[in-house]
Amino acid sequence: KQEVTQIPAALSVPEGENLVLNCSFTDSAIYNLQWFRQDPGKGLTSLLLIQSSQREQTSGRLNASLDKSSGRSTLYIAASQPGDSATYLCAVPEGGSEKLVFGKGTKLTVNP
Amino acid sequence: EPEVTQTPSHQVTQMGQEVILRCVPISNHLYFYWYRQILGQKVEFLVSFYNNEISEKSEIFDDQFSVERPDGSNFTLKIRSTKLEDSAMYFCATGTGVVRGGNTIYFGEGSWLTVV
Repeated sequence: KQEVTQIPAALSVPEGENLVLNCSFTDSAIYNLQWFRQDPGKGLTSLLLIQSSQREQTSGRLNASLDKSSGRSTLYIAASQPGDSATYLCAVPEGGSEKLVFGKGTKLTVNP
Repeated sequence: EPEVTQTPSHQVTQMGQEVILRCVPISNHLYFYWYRQILGQKVEFLVSFYNNEISEKSEIFDDQFSVERPDGSNFTLKIRSTKLEDSAMYFCATGTGVVRGGNTIYFGEGSWLTVV
């Protein structure tokens, strides 16, 4: 059974700082990994999807890396802004199923 | 940008009552999902739906739950007899292809269900 863990649970940084969020998963036989953003009381917005054959994916100030063999992914946010404040979730499909397994998320606060 | 729309945004219901949560998928999407998030907990998979039938369901999705696409547009989640532990945010999600195939799924804003 796939388990996804995210550390830290919460992170507070000053504006402009570069930061890294971590995600680990127990079953390395994944098809892909997605990073989502969740604002308080809102739905999930997909940020980046990395296929199992990829090592990195970039979108603007966001860069996600994937190391399947070690069961880890990182989300790098460059030059953080107060608008980046949200909870960041990672998720992987479980086995060959349609079920996404989510981590509990990292709550990011970027202080002006 | 196309959106997944969910109604109601918030519903309070008495224990034992039936609840129907509604979702309007993005128009060309064929894969539909329900997830839920109990306050402070992880987002959990409930069910996936494709070609007018359930393709997968979790152990949470017991006989009290059902899904259907009654009119070819709306996608609904019905909880027949609500329990206190059903209180959660319920998310509808839709996509053009299977998630294991690398297809992104798009989430709605959620329906917050409070059972009292």
